Amino acid sequence: GAVVSQHPSRVICKSGTSVKIECRSLDFQATTMFWYRQFPKQSLMLMATSNEGSKATYEQGVEKDKFLINHASLTLSTLTVTSAHPEDSSFYICSARNRRDYNEQFFGPGTRLTVL
Amino acid sequence: QKEVEQDPGPLSVPEGAIVSLNCTYSNSAFQYFMWYRQYSRKGPELLMYTYSSGNKEDGRFTAQVDKSSKYISLFIRDSQPSDSATYLCAMSETGGGADGLTFGKGTHLIIQP
Repeated sequence: GAVVSQHPSRVICKSGTSVKIECRSLDFQATTMFWYRQFPKQSLMLMATSNEGSKATYEQGVEKDKFLINHASLTLSTLTVTSAHPEDSSFYICSARNRRDYNEQFFGPGTRLTVL
Repeated sequence: QKEVEQDPGPLSVPEGAIVSLNCTYSNSAFQYFMWYRQYSRKGPELLMYTYSSGNKEDGRFTAQVDKSSKYISLFIRDSQPSDSATYLCAMSETGGGADGLTFGKGTHLIIQP
């Protein structure tokens, strides 16, 4: 099956620091990866769409200078939360689209970010 | 008005009951409809995927889409305690993988043994 991993699964950091989250497709090539954010008891909200080798497309209201996305290879995308603040504390989930099956997104297990 | 409305529950039913989960939406351009299951602090897992209106069955799960009413449903037959989870509906305009998905809030389902 298609497996997507995320690292780290949980991170606690101080306000003002930057945090990098990795998303990897383990057994397939992903031309497109998506980053979502989920606040407690809220739905997953799409933050950005990341295509391999090109700049990410951000949803309205998402600061691209704060949430840096890099998709350097067909199996890896990274999300860096720069100068994190307590309001950035959330559950960040990535998903990846299989290069061969365009109709399905496979989700990673998520990363719990807590900013103190 | 939010694009996708879903009752967050919790919905508690006895084991063996038929469960009905629903979402309504406002964007008539949505054509692809999905149901995901999410366990606590885990990523969503795809359960059902349907295109346009109609029914789709997979084992104990049946997904229904009524585009004229902008209403989708997921039915779970012979519910089991292991079905206890949060169920998220999701939709897109151009295929489940082509663009980002719009999710409902999720319904927290509890199956009582």
